[in-house]
This record gives sequence, structure tokens and C-alpha cells, in this order.
Amino acid sequence: GQQLNQSPQSMFIQEGEDVSMNCTSSSIFNTWLWYKQEPGEGPVLLIALYKAGELTSNGRLTAQFGITRKDSFLNISASIPSDVGIYFCAGRAFGNEKLTFGTGTRLTIIP
Amino acid sequence: DSGVTQTPKHLITATGQRVTLRCSPRSGDLSVYWYQQSLDQGLQFLIHYYNGEERAKGNILERFSAQQFPDLHSELNLSSLELGDSALYFCASSVTGTDGDTQYFGPGTRLTVL
Repeated sequence: GQQLNQSPQSMFIQEGEDVSMNCTSSSIFNTWLWYKQEPGEGPVLLIALYKAGELTSNGRLTAQFGITRKDSFLNISASIPSDVGIYFCAGRAFGNEKLTFGTGTRLTIIP
Repeated sequence: DSGVTQTPKHLITATGQRVTLRCSPRSGDLSVYWYQQSLDQGLQFLIHYYNGEERAKGNILERFSAQQFPDLHSELNLSSLELGDSALYFCASSVTGTDGDTQYFGPGTRLTVL
């Protein structure tokens, strides 16, 4: 099925470091969502973006809706152990109720 | 806790069998979506129901079917199971299912086909 290109695929960082990941699409989206999934659990919504150029924060997390409408970025500042998990972007095109998910970024924090 | 419930949490069955997964959406949500997540894969959209009616279909196999009942709970039926059907199956719900509508995910059902 169709998926967004999400990178990096995995990240190994030390506690306290900042994290950046992004998603790109060949299609224009009018909604970008960022989810986090922990082992054995369903994805949990972190941030929702609805307008090109929009920058939204949720605690240490900041996400941006790219100006081209074909990309989005998620940054995590000062990472902590509970940030471990898989982060998924998801996008929705205008008039389309279907969400397309990225392939995920697996975040591991090295003690 | 997203408010979306799914049962069972785990299901182990044999090839060729048929199973039913159940989802109860958040209170007030009219839309239910089903997704499949295979090992280390992203989420693949299967099907979307809104207020009892099918709204959109994704990469859902003909061996799979779903329905949404008048009380808005939904069931995903998987038949003639194959080894490759082993995956996590998630249900999500949203208020309407239109642009700008956020989907909230349940905890998933892990299906293992032996």
C-alpha cells in the first residue's frame, strides 16, 4: 500500500540529546499527524497539524507542517528514557478520509 | 487510555480458520477504521465505516470483511487464515471521519496464525 517516506528509520541517541525526524510525500496533504507507539500498544496522537507552515508544540515535542504541504518534521528536545518508541507520521489529502502512515522511526536511548 | 477498546488482546489460531475481532469506539465517535500492522511495518489502512455504512476501503483482502453495528461497535472478520495474516490489528475511531478529524487508536489485537 501507499506509504510516506519517513526518516531516519532508526535512531540511537543518548539521554538529553535532541531528536529530529521527518516525513515526505509525493502528494500534497492538508493534514499531518504525528503518533508514538510503544511495544504492545496502539499509536497515541502527539501532534496534529492542519495548515501549511504551522508550527505546533506539545511539551518537548515540536512539529511543523512544511510549506510545500509535502513534508512534516518532528523534533524532540532534551530526550528522556520514556521517549523510547516508534514515531509515525500520517498524512491526509484534501477530501480523502484515508490516513496514510509513514514507515516509522524507531527511537532508542542509550543509557 | 484513548477510550477505544478492542477485544481480544491476543488471538492464536490455525491456518484456514476464521476469527472475529471486535472494536468499541470512543463515546460519541461515529467513525471506525481498521488497520493492519505486520512485524516492523507501518500501519496499513483496511477499511472505514461511518455510522454503520462503509466509507472507504484500503488494501483489504477479499477474505476479510467488516461491519459496524447500530450501537457503533465494529467487527473485523478474517477467514481462511494464512500464516501471513499474523499481525497486529488496530481499530481507530473519530467523531466524523472528515478532514481535520483526529483518529484515536485502540490497544490492538495481536493475531498469531500457526
